[in-house]
Amino acid sequence: GQNIDQPTEMTATEGAIVQINCTYQTSGFNGLFWYQQHAGEAPTFLSYNVLDGLEEKGRFSSFLSRSKGYSYLLLKELQMKDSASYLCASKDSNYQLIWGAGTKLIIKP
Amino acid sequence: DAMVIQNPRYQVTQFGKPVTLSCSQTLNHNVMYWYQQKSSQAPKLLFHYYDKDFNNEADTPDNFQSRRPNTSFCFLDIRSPGLGDAAMYLCATSAQEEGAYEQYFGPGTRLTVT
Repeated sequence: GQNIDQPTEMTATEGAIVQINCTYQTSGFNGLFWYQQHAGEAPTFLSYNVLDGLEEKGRFSSFLSRSKGYSYLLLKELQMKDSASYLCASKDSNYQLIWGAGTKLIIKP
Repeated sequence: DAMVIQNPRYQVTQFGKPVTLSCSQTLNHNVMYWYQQKSSQAPKLLFHYYDKDFNNEADTPDNFQSRRPNTSFCFLDIRSPGLGDAAMYLCATSAQEEGAYEQYFGPGTRLTVT
């Protein structure tokens, strides 16, 4: 079956660094996406990885290991506005996104 | 600004009363998606269109139908809403299905069934 696993909730402090992990099992693989979703709003695209390694984009970085079926999203210099859910999604062999349930990130002052 | 628009943002309907949700896009994207998302859950794909080719997910209930009359518009019809259909309905678009093309989401329609 197809499955995405990520922690349900994480807490971090403003200004700190947090790493959100994701493991995936999908039929085929055409890339790994991370989306941010604030409460009551639609998801917005953060990053895409298809090759192994780290992709850096400002305060946010995303890492992929295809052999391990593993990705993480790294958020640096946390700000209060980063409080949101972070969804991991793997694109399968039919080019459909298989979504995780999201990790709710709580930032404390 | 190019965008994905959903109307209405909030919809209240009665149990069993048909309801239609609409989505429009100015991105001229080939692919349009309808997702259902319940609180703290992953988005669940209901349908998607590649241009006019309609794709129905195997576990999408028959109660849900969709129409895409042209590139810009897509509709979700719920023929007889039940209490379990209360959710956020998200429309998304993508230029293509494959590769790095991300999905752009509308703001969603929150459906309440009374």
